[in-house]
Amino acid sequence: AQSVTQPDIHITVSEGASLELRCNYSYGATPYLFWYVQSPGQGLQLLLKYFSGDTLVQGIKGFEAEFKRSQSSFNLRKPSVHWSDAAEYFCAVGPGTYKYIFGTGTRLKVLA
Amino acid sequence: DVKVTQSSRYLVKRTGEKVFLECVQDMDHENMFWYRQDPGLGLRLIYFSYDVKMKEKGDIPEGYSVSREKKERFSLILESASTNQTSMYLCASTPRRLARDTQYFGPGTRLTVL
Repeated sequence: AQSVTQPDIHITVSEGASLELRCNYSYGATPYLFWYVQSPGQGLQLLLKYFSGDTLVQGIKGFEAEFKRSQSSFNLRKPSVHWSDAAEYFCAVGPGTYKYIFGTGTRLKVLA
Repeated sequence: DVKVTQSSRYLVKRTGEKVFLECVQDMDHENMFWYRQDPGLGLRLIYFSYDVKMKEKGDIPEGYSVSREKKERFSLILESASTNQTSMYLCASTPRRLARDTQYFGPGTRLTVL
C-alpha cells in the first residue's frame, strides 16, 4: 500500500542550528514528492516539490530536500534555522491522478 | 496569487445539527478537496471533486457529504454533527488532475461539536 512516514513527531532545535526532517515513502514507481509547512492557525503552504531531474530540490525560505530512490526518502533540510521556522511540516506523495497522501507531520520547535 | 477561502475560521455546533462548511477558490481550478486534520493523524481525505457536480469518496467519507454546484465552490456537509467530528477541516484545490500539481490550501475551519 502507498504510504508516507514521518518518523519524528516533534523536533526541537536551537536557532541557528541545522535541521533535517525525515520522510520515507512506499510506492511502486517514482512518485511526485512534496513538502508543505503549516504555521500556527494557518493552512498548508508548499515549500518545495520533486517530480524529475536533479534530486536536490531548492524551495522557499532557504529549505532544500534530497530525493534518494535507494532509500525511498525525501528529507527536508535547512542549514540555519530561524525562530520563524517553528511550524508543522508535512511530507506528501502524489502517486496517482488526483489523490495525495500525507505523512502525519513533524512539529518543529525553535529555541532562542 | 491563488486564493482559497473558507467561510469560517472557528465554528461551534451542537450534536445533531446540520453543518455546512464552505470553500471558494478564485483561480478556475478543476479539482477541490476536503481534508480533516487531527493531531498525530495528519491530513485525511474526506471527499474530492474533479469537476462540477462530480465527487469521489476519500478515505473517511462516513458522516459527511459534499456539493459542488459551481466550479469555484465546494461545500462539506455534516448531516448530523457528532462529537467525534470535532476537528480542523482544510479545503484545497489543484489546477488539473495531475499528481505533480501543487495543492493550494485554505486557512482551515476549526469545528467544535458539543
